[in-house]
Amino acid sequence: DVKVTQSSRYLVKRTGEKVFLECVQDMDHENMFWYRQDPGLGLRLIYFSYDVKMKEKGDIPEGYSVSREKKERFSLILESASTNQTSMYLCASSLYRVKNIQYFGAGTRLSVL
Amino acid sequence: KQEVTQIPAALSVPEGENLVLNCSFTDSAIYNLQWFRQDPGKGLTSLLLIQSSQREQTSGRLNASLDKSSGRSTLYIAASQPGDSATYLCAVLTGGGNKLTFGTGTQLKVEL
Repeated sequence: DVKVTQSSRYLVKRTGEKVFLECVQDMDHENMFWYRQDPGLGLRLIYFSYDVKMKEKGDIPEGYSVSREKKERFSLILESASTNQTSMYLCASSLYRVKNIQYFGAGTRLSVL
Repeated sequence: KQEVTQIPAALSVPEGENLVLNCSFTDSAIYNLQWFRQDPGKGLTSLLLIQSSQREQTSGRLNASLDKSSGRSTLYIAASQPGDSATYLCAVLTGGGNKLTFGTGTQLKVEL
């Protein structure tokens, strides 16, 4: 079974803090994705990566950056957390670049106070 | 810009009923359509994936259909059970084959 693991289920941070959300997949997938999920807005793509050290912006990249130094790990970084970044963050991975099923982690619920 | 709509937003049915969830999308140039299940506070579990060349997919009590030309998909759940209670999301893959656009989901409650 594919396993996508997000390092934290719940996080509480203060405004202005630098926040790291970590995601690891164990199936040698090429693609990795970060989404945020908000009531009434659904899931929206923040960034994705189709190879080590490669990244592409999704629909809402503002206020976020990402890092992919190893194939299995994809990090989402909030350089200076703000209250409007309080959300559920979901990581996903897929085997190939196109036409593939995305497998999701359990999510990290981030609260920024 | 692709937009995905799911109707209804919420649905409550008695156990044993057959039900249909609807998904529509505005741009028919999709690679595939995927149905997911999400339990409260949890991640997404993929239920069915329909490639753009397919008309339907089945898994157990679930059947998903795709009419790409009209921009519609349905998820049929047979003989519903309380364990089916969850939010069901559909998503279409576009944008070069790596961009999933999600609907906002249908929250299903199956009552005893």
